[in-house]
Amino acid sequence: QQQVKQSPQSLIVQKGGISIINCAYENTAFDYFPWYQQFPGKGPALLIAIRPDVSEKKEGRFTISFNKSAKQFSLHIMDSQPGDSATYFCAASRRAGNTGKLIFGQGTTLQVKP
Amino acid sequence: ETGVTQTPRHLVMGMTNKKSLKCEQHLGHNAMYWYKQSAKKPLELMFVYNFKEQTENNSVPSRFSPECPNSSHLFLHLHTLQPEDSALYLCASSQDRRQKGEKLFFGSGTQLSVL
Repeated sequence: QQQVKQSPQSLIVQKGGISIINCAYENTAFDYFPWYQQFPGKGPALLIAIRPDVSEKKEGRFTISFNKSAKQFSLHIMDSQPGDSATYFCAASRRAGNTGKLIFGQGTTLQVKP
Repeated sequence: ETGVTQTPRHLVMGMTNKKSLKCEQHLGHNAMYWYKQSAKKPLELMFVYNFKEQTENNSVPSRFSPECPNSSHLFLHLHTLQPEDSALYLCASSQDRRQKGEKLFFGSGTQLSVL
């Protein structure tokens, strides 16, 4: 019940295309859903996050779509660029008594071809 | 630069060695974390310290021993490790546990190889 399942494991997209990464969770107590971006040789960095009181959040070319009833959320990268090539992790946690105990997905390696 | 510095960047050690990983944060945060990142697996939380007190030990084997002398520094002492402990060890910091949904700032990690 603590797992966050992420798919696909890897993704190849042409420059200018849309990249979509999906995550699903079981624990209905989760109420904070961030996405982290990791470049080779670097630690993950927060990209965008959403709370379940909204169904969508957009920051530039990055959008999170959230479906509370389905317990799913996804990251959409519009107009994908080669510089977006990285590994993306979804995560989930509970706000109450949160100690930074994020439950991470397995990660998706995105390659954007020029 | 995230404000979280980890040293060394790479470490190769034998199973009988003792070594330490160091993490320092310059962000004024009060919570610090150790995560383990293995290939094709989710990041695994190992330890959490909040205001220098350990608040989480995620069933980590005793061959990993954390130390947090102050809110800016975090160590992970390693001894008699196994080859399956080879991984990227990431340190992170955040404001403190009372911040709801706080943002984690990660260091670049120490890539550990156990021979």
